[in-house]
Amino acid sequence: DGGITQSPKYLFRKEGQNVTLSCEQNLNHDAMYWYRQDPGQGLRLIYYSQIVNDFQKGDIAEGYSVSREKKESFPLTVTSAQKNPTAFYLCASSIPGGVETQYFGPGTRLLVL
Amino acid sequence: AQTVTQSQPEMSVQEAETVTLSCTYDTSENNYYLFWYKQPPSRQMILVIRQEAYKQQNATENRFSVNFQKAAKSFSLKISDSQLGDTAMYFCAFMMDSSNTGKLIFGQGTTLQVKP
Repeated sequence: DGGITQSPKYLFRKEGQNVTLSCEQNLNHDAMYWYRQDPGQGLRLIYYSQIVNDFQKGDIAEGYSVSREKKESFPLTVTSAQKNPTAFYLCASSIPGGVETQYFGPGTRLLVL
Repeated sequence: AQTVTQSQPEMSVQEAETVTLSCTYDTSENNYYLFWYKQPPSRQMILVIRQEAYKQQNATENRFSVNFQKAAKSFSLKISDSQLGDTAMYFCAFMMDSSNTGKLIFGQGTTLQVKP
């Protein structure tokens, strides 16, 4: 079955630690996105990538980094510079072109110890 | 800057009845796309319905339909014959046609409870 997988489902971060969230898709989509969801708020765009080896900052990129070495994979690293990382993180993918529907993964819940 | 507002944080409806969720948006663009996404307790975001701004006809997907009022910048979602499985958080989202980035701008969400 085609879809988007995210791992782990829950992730705990210690102070000063970098952690990496995985996002993999087998939909053959070129475009991939990372969103952050805080309680009582909608999703906010962190980073996006329209094609392999290229990515762009979204609205809240500070404290995060990404890579896009393979079409199927778009990992997100939450660095120690992100002072309030506790949130639910959602990955999405779509056919590129800007207006195509985005399909979402099941999400990763990040908590700070 | 574009904004999306959902003014109803929580709503409830009896099973089999109809409910309407409100969404307004602000943009100076003429061409854009609007979406309703559903996020059930599993937290998986699922596309419910999509509307192109250049289309006058309101989109419909089975029990889900929209009332798109472009001049009023309003995009409400109507759920008919509500089912227990419709219990979820619903997000309205906006995408500019000209952005070429695929960037979605989300509202704050409306939590819908369907009661048996």
